[in-house]
Amino acid sequence: DVVMTQTPVSLSLAIGQPASISCKSSQSLLGTSGKTFLNWILQRPGQSPKRLIYQVSKLYSEVPDRFSGSGSETEFTLKISRVEAEDLGVYYCWQGTHFPLTFGSGTKLEIK
Amino acid sequence: EVQLVESGGGLVQPGRSMKLSCAASGFTFSNYGMAWVRQAPTKGLEWVATISYDGSSTYYRDSVKGRFTISRDNAKSTLYLQMNSLRSEDTATYYCTKDYWGQGVMVTVSS
Repeated sequence: DVVMTQTPVSLSLAIGQPASISCKSSQSLLGTSGKTFLNWILQRPGQSPKRLIYQVSKLYSEVPDRFSGSGSETEFTLKISRVEAEDLGVYYCWQGTHFPLTFGSGTKLEIK
Repeated sequence: EVQLVESGGGLVQPGRSMKLSCAASGFTFSNYGMAWVRQAPTKGLEWVATISYDGSSTYYRDSVKGRFTISRDNAKSTLYLQMNSLRSEDTATYYCTKDYWGQGVMVTVSS
């Protein structure tokens, strides 16, 4: 199985500060289609997950552009240019290239 | 507006069965593969099963193979998860997802 390793485990940031979360996979996530199925989701406290980013860097339409994703092969990063209060929660990366699909263990973002 | 509404959860004894449903609306259900993902209490997310847009292909995590069956009814825009021989370790909130996520349904396996 592909192991997804996220760091840091938690972040405590003030409103307006930038955030960066790393996600590393134990195998390349570049698929035979030429696409890399690395996704990011956010789970706010007490809620179900919400989609953020797909195929490494593509933002879903409702996601603010302060979010960005980058990376390739086995190393990926989620960045928030300026954290806002609504960004608190647990961020997960997950891969859809190889079965079984696997998730990172999550990064908890707290607002100072 | 896309909506995924799960139902069918609850308390069930070990070894018994339960069937989850996910009613989809706001998009062309028959065009998309769908998945079930679960989250044990206070834990992370764990993929359970995926089904192709037309139901012709299904995929499962090893721990549920032979016990769980994912299926769909495109005419009803509904996704299902039939869970047999349930174990305590299957206790979790089960989410239906394509890229949007449902609100989840709790399944508790306990005597």
